[in-house]
Amino acid sequence: DAGITQSPRHKVTETGTPVTLRCHQTENHRYMYWYRQDPGHGLRLIHYSYGVKDTDKGEVSDGYSVSRSKTEDFLLTLESATSSQTSVYFCAISEGGPDYGYTFGSGTRLTVV
Amino acid sequence: AQTVTQSQPEMSVQEAETVTLSCTYDTSESDYYLFWYKQPPSRQMILVIRQEAYKQQNATENRFSVNFQKAAKSFSLKISDSQLGDAAMYFCAYRSASGANSKLTFGKGITLSVRP
Repeated sequence: DAGITQSPRHKVTETGTPVTLRCHQTENHRYMYWYRQDPGHGLRLIHYSYGVKDTDKGEVSDGYSVSRSKTEDFLLTLESATSSQTSVYFCAISEGGPDYGYTFGSGTRLTVV
Repeated sequence: AQTVTQSQPEMSVQEAETVTLSCTYDTSESDYYLFWYKQPPSRQMILVIRQEAYKQQNATENRFSVNFQKAAKSFSLKISDSQLGDAAMYFCAYRSASGANSKLTFGKGITLSVRP
């Protein structure tokens, strides 16, 4: 299994502040994803990447940006955090073809107060 | 766009008994994959079982099996001999077979509790 780590695991921040979440993988998988998980909504795709400097929007991308300057790191930034962005954020990688599903990080619980 | 529906938000089962979690999906594609993920209180997302749409045989992994009805677009998960460790949230997910860059689409999840 690929090593995939997210940091931080928990974070509390104030409304209006910028926040960056980090996802790091130990293998050179091309495809990486950011999801958010909210009660009653399941997991929803925020942004994804298909290579260094190649990213695209998912279904709930407003208020978020991403960057991928190295294969192993995929950063998610909340430019100005709002209470509606309080959520659990998951990073995932696709280790092979579509039959593999995804491998997920352990998640970041973000609270915006 | 594909959609995945899990209409039951919660279910409960007695330990050692069998429970079935329902999932339906909507797609116009003929080739795709379906998955069930388990999320225990630790928050980790764990792949339980996968099914390829072109395979008529239902997938089985130990106590977990699926009932895949392609025409009805139904993909239910059966857990036999339920154990306390099965208590978790379960997500059904869809992924197109169109390529390695296809995205996973999730249902809203169902919380399963196991009564001792």
